Amino acid sequence: GAVVSQHPSWVICKSGTSVKIECRSLDFQATTMFWYRQFPKQSLMLMATSNEGSKATYEQGVEKDKFLINHASLTLSTLTVTSAHPEDSSFYICSARDIEDEKLFFGSGTQLSVL
Amino acid sequence: AQSVSQHNHHVILSEAASLELGCNYSYGGTVNLFWYVQYPGQHLQLLLKYFSGDPLVKGIKGFEAEFIKSKFSFNLRKPSVQWSDTAEYFCAVNGLNTDKLIFGTGTRLQVFP
Repeated sequence: GAVVSQHPSWVICKSGTSVKIECRSLDFQATTMFWYRQFPKQSLMLMATSNEGSKATYEQGVEKDKFLINHASLTLSTLTVTSAHPEDSSFYICSARDIEDEKLFFGSGTQLSVL
Repeated sequence: AQSVSQHNHHVILSEAASLELGCNYSYGGTVNLFWYVQYPGQHLQLLLKYFSGDPLVKGIKGFEAEFIKSKFSFNLRKPSVQWSDTAEYFCAVNGLNTDKLIFGTGTRLQVFP
């Protein structure tokens, strides 16, 4: 089946540094990718919708200057957490919509810990 | 406000027991409903979905879910669970013309042999 590769699977960083998370669709193309955040024992919350070749659409309350999203190709979207702080520690998951059949596939997630 | 509630946070069953996981949603308008499963160490994957038609939906691995519009519910069922069903289960909803999926908090299912 279709695979979405998300990298890294976990990352620990110092407060104030930036972290980039990659989301790749390995065997299909995706004009639309989604970024979610999940805090412990809470729902996956949609942060933004990433559209290839255009600006991402952010959900209410999500700072676009803090969570930079780039969707430069049909198989890659990146999320950069800029100037990370401990409250940004969370589990981040991406998903990609197959351009052919519009099915949605999820990455395995990235656990971010900011010290 | 749009939301999805999964009341069972952690369910423990023996093999061959029957399973029902609750899912209730709050959403204005017509909805699409989903159940996703995440096996240990693996990606979220679609278990089944309801868009329209027969409210009883059958998914993979013997799972089914019933959409009851009057109760705003989409409960997941399986008559006889297996150890391999141990996973986290997420209910989700979206509106007809939006990509935005709203997830429940998930239910962790543990099945013991």
